[in-house]
Amino acid sequence: AQSVSQHNHHVILSEAASLELGCNYSYGGTVNLFWYVQYPGQHLQLLLKYFSGDPLVKGIKGFEAEFIKSKFSFNLRKPSVQWSDTAEYFCAVIGTYKYIFGTGTRLKVLA
Amino acid sequence: DVKVTQSSRYLVKRTGEKVFLECVQDMDHENMFWYRQDPGLGLRLIYFSYDVKMKEKGDIPEGYSVSREKKERFSLILESASTNQTSMYLCASSLWDSQETQYFGPGTRLLVL
Repeated sequence: AQSVSQHNHHVILSEAASLELGCNYSYGGTVNLFWYVQYPGQHLQLLLKYFSGDPLVKGIKGFEAEFIKSKFSFNLRKPSVQWSDTAEYFCAVIGTYKYIFGTGTRLKVLA
Repeated sequence: DVKVTQSSRYLVKRTGEKVFLECVQDMDHENMFWYRQDPGLGLRLIYFSYDVKMKEKGDIPEGYSVSREKKERFSLILESASTNQTSMYLCASSLWDSQETQYFGPGTRLLVL
């Protein structure tokens, strides 16, 4: 069955710390991978996405993610977090029409 | 900018009531989706629609139905609300291509007493 696992449910970091959020997927076909973010009180919005080509994908606000096919992973990274990055982050894989979301990671950045 | 709107931000209903959640998108998207978001469970797909009058069950369709009479509008119906349907409900839309980004509405927080 298709699934997405996010290993970290809650992460607390100080400003300027580096961030890596794990995402592993299980899907037999060609994968399209996404990271979405939900800031407090706001809509879910796209952070970045991978379809093909360069496995290192850059998104908004300095985020990037690396697709490692051999590890079925699509981890999200940011070299230096800011207080404004406090949010919930969701990894997703898409099959035909249908997204499968991970359970989310709540990130709190301390000023 | 794509805009997805949901009819209510907060709703309080009683057990057994029929509940309608409405979603409208203004970008002529073919696909529309209903999710529920619960702490620790992420987003779970209830139903989706890829065309007018077309619908497909998602992962947790039990207790829900949907209606899509017009391309821009996708309704979620709880025929007889139960307390375990207390949740945040998110609507989303996208173009037909599976690579396309989903655009989400602000959500409706439903409390069933």
